[in-house]
Amino acid sequence: GESVGLHLPTLSVQEGDNSIINCAYSNSASDYFIWYKQESGKGPQFIIDIRSNMDKRQGQRVTVLLNKTVKHLSLQIAATQPGDSAVYFCAEKIPLGAQKLVFGQGTRLTINP
Amino acid sequence: DAGVIQSPRHEVTEMGQEVTLRCKPISGHNSLFWYRQTMMRGLELLIYFNNNVPIDDSGMPEDRFSAKMPNASFSTLKIQPSEPRDSAVYFCASSLLRGTDTQYFGPGTRLTVL
Repeated sequence: GESVGLHLPTLSVQEGDNSIINCAYSNSASDYFIWYKQESGKGPQFIIDIRSNMDKRQGQRVTVLLNKTVKHLSLQIAATQPGDSAVYFCAEKIPLGAQKLVFGQGTRLTINP
Repeated sequence: DAGVIQSPRHEVTEMGQEVTLRCKPISGHNSLFWYRQTMMRGLELLIYFNNNVPIDDSGMPEDRFSAKMPNASFSTLKIQPSEPRDSAVYFCASSLLRGTDTQYFGPGTRLTVL
């Protein structure tokens, strides 16, 4: 769950293609996960969330997949647009009733025209 | 609806000065979180409040940092004295206790300590 931000992983995709951003989380007992989008100079913006009793959840152009066996979370963005360029963070909620969110290091998504 | 409001948006100060960052959570939210974001350490939780009461301050770096929440619509994060290594973007977030656990972030305060 440590966030180390020296070098952000980067994903470049062509406009109109689908993007898949991956995240490995740390605690097998985490029960809630969120994906955030952060544009330059702005705060993290909620995209989609999923609870541990689900393995898939869909929103508008976005789908989150949860694989608890390997502690893996992914965010799929369909038909990427220039406005999707941002840093994407996954976050897990620490269990035992606390409200802490532990953030991943983030992935920078760049959309090529 | 107004989101989380933070002020100032930018702060430049000299080492040793006191810095106060302000946050107004989303109306009706009763949990408030202070985060710090740096390139080296990413997004770190400093402290959070439920119903104006500090619940966990284990992320506060040292005694130079303090946070208060005198009422449901206002919180401050104070650094005294400030040091260059405190330079970062500080975010405030709020959520609804016993809600979906989703935290909504403000625009942040970019602090530069010279």
